[in-house]
Amino acid sequence: GENVEQHPSTLSVQEGDSAVIKCTYSDSASNYFPWYKQELGKRPQLIIDIRSNVGEKKDQRIAVTLNKTAKHFSLHITETQPEDSAVYFCAAARSQGNLIFGKGTKLSVKP
Amino acid sequence: NAGVMQNPRHLVRRRGQEARLRCSPMKGHSHVYWYRQLPEEGLKFMVYLQKENIIDESGMPKERFSAEFPKEGPSILRIQQVVRGDSAAYFCASSPSFGSTGELFFGEGSRLTVL
Repeated sequence: GENVEQHPSTLSVQEGDSAVIKCTYSDSASNYFPWYKQELGKRPQLIIDIRSNVGEKKDQRIAVTLNKTAKHFSLHITETQPEDSAVYFCAAARSQGNLIFGKGTKLSVKP
Repeated sequence: NAGVMQNPRHLVRRRGQEARLRCSPMKGHSHVYWYRQLPEEGLKFMVYLQKENIIDESGMPKERFSAEFPKEGPSILRIQQVVRGDSAAYFCASSPSFGSTGELFFGEGSRLTVL
């Protein structure tokens, strides 16, 4: 089955800096790669996703890149703000399959 | 359009008791997923259901755990004879069909504490 590895487990940056979180997956049939943000005590919420037919997607300060050959994908957050502080999860799935999540990255943005 | 509704939000049980967690998917969604989240850990897939069918239960322990999604009513995750290790947050998510956007909409979770 699918296995998703996520790094780093914790990340601390200064406000205004960029943050990068990386994930690798094992199932070459996976074709959907979302990123979820979970604030303390809250539910996970989708922030951006990418499908295997594109290599990069951007939404304001957030971007995701995908390298299908190497089976890894990354989340990039630019101009970080304190409200970006949360746990971020990457996930992977194949068509008609369930999402398999990484273990999460706790991002802390210091003012 | 109400989101995914889970109840109870908090549940306390003593060892050996049963826990029942309920999930009502978003209106129009026929796919339900249950995930377990231990403190400081990620979301671990447990089971994927469609109405009256279990599609994938590969992440659910074979003993004491069961799930259903009846034709009418919410999906239920049932844990029999709970043990301390069952203490976790249990998240339900729904989607209209995986082949559409792929996005899962999560509920607020049910936090189970086993004394």
